[in-house]
Amino acid sequence: EVQLVESGGGLVQPGGSLRLSCAASGFTVSSNYMSWVRQAPGKGLEWVSVIYSGGSTYYADSVKGRFTISRDNSKNTLYLQMNSLRAEDTAVYYCARDRDYMDVWGKGTTVTVSS
Amino acid sequence: SYVLTQPPSVSVAPGQTARITCGGNNIGSKSVHWYQQKPGQAPVLVVYDDSDRPSGIPERFSGSNSGNTATLTISRVEAGDEADYYCQVWDSSSDHPYVVFGGGTKLTVL
Repeated sequence: EVQLVESGGGLVQPGGSLRLSCAASGFTVSSNYMSWVRQAPGKGLEWVSVIYSGGSTYYADSVKGRFTISRDNSKNTLYLQMNSLRAEDTAVYYCARDRDYMDVWGKGTTVTVSS
Repeated sequence: SYVLTQPPSVSVAPGQTARITCGGNNIGSKSVHWYQQKPGQAPVLVVYDDSDRPSGIPERFSGSNSGNTATLTISRVEAGDEADYYCQVWDSSSDHPYVVFGGGTKLTVL
């Protein structure tokens, strides 16, 4: 079964760091584009970052320079390292397999940035 | 940056047809994808590449795209279709590729 499971969310103070993980099963992360998408409470979907199968990475302007997307091929896992967190980064974070369209989504992990 | 505009809400009676629009500059030249999201759940792809349906999605869901408007059409609407719907494209017009989502449309089944 094709599946994505996120973990690593939690409560963090402004300026703090957090690393999200997204474990994949049923397909190979490194052979696909993979994206992170977030959703602030009561708001719409916002794309955060993508990593191409070839390793290129791209970010939304709102997180560029603070967030880093990566993957561990041996663990078939996608990551999102989040530094210098702000209150406006509070959201549910989803990972998704990205084939131009996002056909597989995880259930999400919640990140709350608050003092 | 590329902007996708959706109506905040659409209401329809059961059994009728719902049409949700997604406006963007020359969106007809892009591939548009649509997602359904129910409260507390992850989004689900319902239409991709303008008009294709993933396996498991009912034929009642269809899409079209031309000019400056893409449309998701839901025929014979059921109570279970009540959800938020988002359109999405990839934009390569800036210095790097960018995924763009519309603001979302809340479909209410009366």
